[in-house]
Amino acid sequence: VLTQSPGTLSLSPGERATLSCRASQSIRNSYLGWYQQKPGQAPRLLIYRASNRATGIPDRFSGSGSGTDFTLTITRLEPEDFAVYFCQQYGNSALTFGGGTKVEIK
Amino acid sequence: EVQLSESGGGLLQPGGSLRLSCAASGFTFSSYAMSWVRQAPGKGLEWVSAIAGRGGPTFYADSVKGRFTISRDNSKNTLFLQMNSLRAEDTAIYYCAKDLGVTIVEVTGLFGDWGQGTLVTVSS
Repeated sequence: VLTQSPGTLSLSPGERATLSCRASQSIRNSYLGWYQQKPGQAPRLLIYRASNRATGIPDRFSGSGSGTDFTLTITRLEPEDFAVYFCQQYGNSALTFGGGTKVEIK
Repeated sequence: EVQLSESGGGLLQPGGSLRLSCAASGFTFSSYAMSWVRQAPGKGLEWVSAIAGRGGPTFYADSVKGRFTISRDNSKNTLFLQMNSLRAEDTAIYYCAKDLGVTIVEVTGLFGDWGQGTLVTVSS
């Protein structure tokens, strides 16, 4: 089970966002990804293997963590970053997603 | 450019069956594992099923095991999901998703590309 917190994060453009994803058991090889989803759109991969940015993802997005605790950080929020973020583990064949964190404009 | 286009969604009654398709282009389809991921209205993401590039192995979420069957036709660059014994809780947008890396004989389950989804509504 992946638990994301907080459920909602209210911030202003330019602020720093810190999103948490906690696993009920250790994730093998840090096989943890982060996705961004905007209303009416499919999710987009941001981060894979906990800390690697996917192609074309701006460097204001960074991921960290290992074992059971992972973090997605957005250093300076841009208007287009307000969205829902999901973590996902792919360390075993029972793939699971976290419940999501909504980053909204304060 | 990778393109994934789902079709086959619709409104049907509990207990019914439906077959979803996902037409793929812009990459060597047979080299990549593919998955179905669903999202109930206003809810989070739930992985449903995955299939390796060559057509096996296949994997299923417990919630659909025994009711859903994933398959692919590599000659037609198309992924399928046969859904039987549908329940109200299967109501969702169904996305097909492509593995990020080459996965001919395995499934990574890290999704680098997604389709736009097709809506399945199960209601009496």
